[in-house]
Amino acid sequence: AQTVTQSQPEMSVQEAETVTLSCTYDTSESNYYLFWYKQPPSRQMILVIRQEAYKQQNATENRFSVNFQKAAKSFSLKISDSQLGDTAMYFCAYGNRDDKIIFGKGTRLHILP
Amino acid sequence: DAGVIQSPRHEVTEMGQEVTLRCKPISGHDYLFWYRQTMMRGLELLIYFNNNVPIDDSGMPEDRFSAKMPNASFSTLKIQPSEPRDSAVYFCASSLEQGEAFFGQGTRLTVV
Repeated sequence: AQTVTQSQPEMSVQEAETVTLSCTYDTSESNYYLFWYKQPPSRQMILVIRQEAYKQQNATENRFSVNFQKAAKSFSLKISDSQLGDTAMYFCAYGNRDDKIIFGKGTRLHILP
Repeated sequence: DAGVIQSPRHEVTEMGQEVTLRCKPISGHDYLFWYRQTMMRGLELLIYFNNNVPIDDSGMPEDRFSAKMPNASFSTLKIQPSEPRDSAVYFCASSLEQGEAFFGQGTRLTVV
């Protein structure tokens, strides 16, 4: 069965710093998707970035980028120039065709002024 | 499209009462998921549907929980009878061919 593990329950960084959130997963599939979601205090789940496993190039969305290491089954999220609005819970998620999307337990990120 | 729509946003009920949560997925999406979020257990998948058919309900905690999807535009999650430990935020999400999941605003359920 697939699993997603986020080993950092909580993190704090100063505004404008760079922070990296860790995620590892386990699967026997070769084709799958990985996602990072953000959940601010409003509780809305917002997709931050996605990565298709068949793509070697790491996905990037503005200040957000990932380090996808397929062999190591690692999928970390880097937030550059962090802003106060980045304060949220961040979830790593895994999905593949014809199957469910499963989430890690989340990392609570605090951006300090 | 208005996105995934859930109702109600908040529900407070007494222990033993029946609770029904509702979800309207994004039009054209063929997967629908019900998740439960608590501080202790995080985001748990309860059940998911593909083309209105339940595929995996192994996450449904007990027989008190049931979910239906009578058509492509509507799903319900029912708890009968409700218990205080069912208090949580319940999310509905939909996706297309297992792309990213789009979430509703969630229903905060409190059972007293």
